[in-house]
Amino acid sequence: DGGITQSPKYLFRKEGQNVTLSCEQNLNHDAMYWYRQDPGQGLRLIYYSQIVNDFQKGDIAEGYSVSREKKESFPLTVTSAQKNPTAFYLCASSPDREGGTEAFFGQGTRLTVV
Amino acid sequence: EDQVTQSPEALRLQEGESSSLNCSYTVSGLRGLFWYRQDPGKGPEFLFTLYSAGEEKEKERLKATLTKKESFLHITAPKPEDSATYLCAVQAGYQKVTFGIGTKLQVIP
Repeated sequence: DGGITQSPKYLFRKEGQNVTLSCEQNLNHDAMYWYRQDPGQGLRLIYYSQIVNDFQKGDIAEGYSVSREKKESFPLTVTSAQKNPTAFYLCASSPDREGGTEAFFGQGTRLTVV
Repeated sequence: EDQVTQSPEALRLQEGESSSLNCSYTVSGLRGLFWYRQDPGKGPEFLFTLYSAGEEKEKERLKATLTKKESFLHITAPKPEDSATYLCAVQAGYQKVTFGIGTKLQVIP
């Protein structure tokens, strides 16, 4: 079945550590996205990529980094510079590079700082 | 600045009791309005895209409508399995999507 796979489902990070969240899609979509979801707030865009080897900052990119070396993969690294990383992270993809069509979401990774 | 406001924040319905969820938006140049369903601890699941005022779309017990300022998600004769958080999102510019906080719907048997 086609879809988006995020791993791990739960992740615990110690203070000062970098952690990487995995996102893989087999939908052959060009555009991929990372969102952060916090209680009482709408989804906020961290980074997006419309094509391999290219990506753009979203609204809250500080403390995060991404790469897009393959069309299917868009990993997100949460660095130690992110002051409040505890959140639910969602990866999504879309067939339209410019947006304007629906996004397909993974099942999310819940990151907790311990 | 683009804004999306969803109301109510939470809604509790008896099974079979129809109702509507509201999504009010202010955006310059709407490219599309999206409705998603999100179950606890899961990623959002796409429901509908609406592009222009007057447009309507239906899927099972759900019907989405769009005006120039708001969208409604009508739920007819809901069942307990319709319990979820419903998210509204609008796209204005290039890759610029703004999400609302959502309406948490609980349908009681």
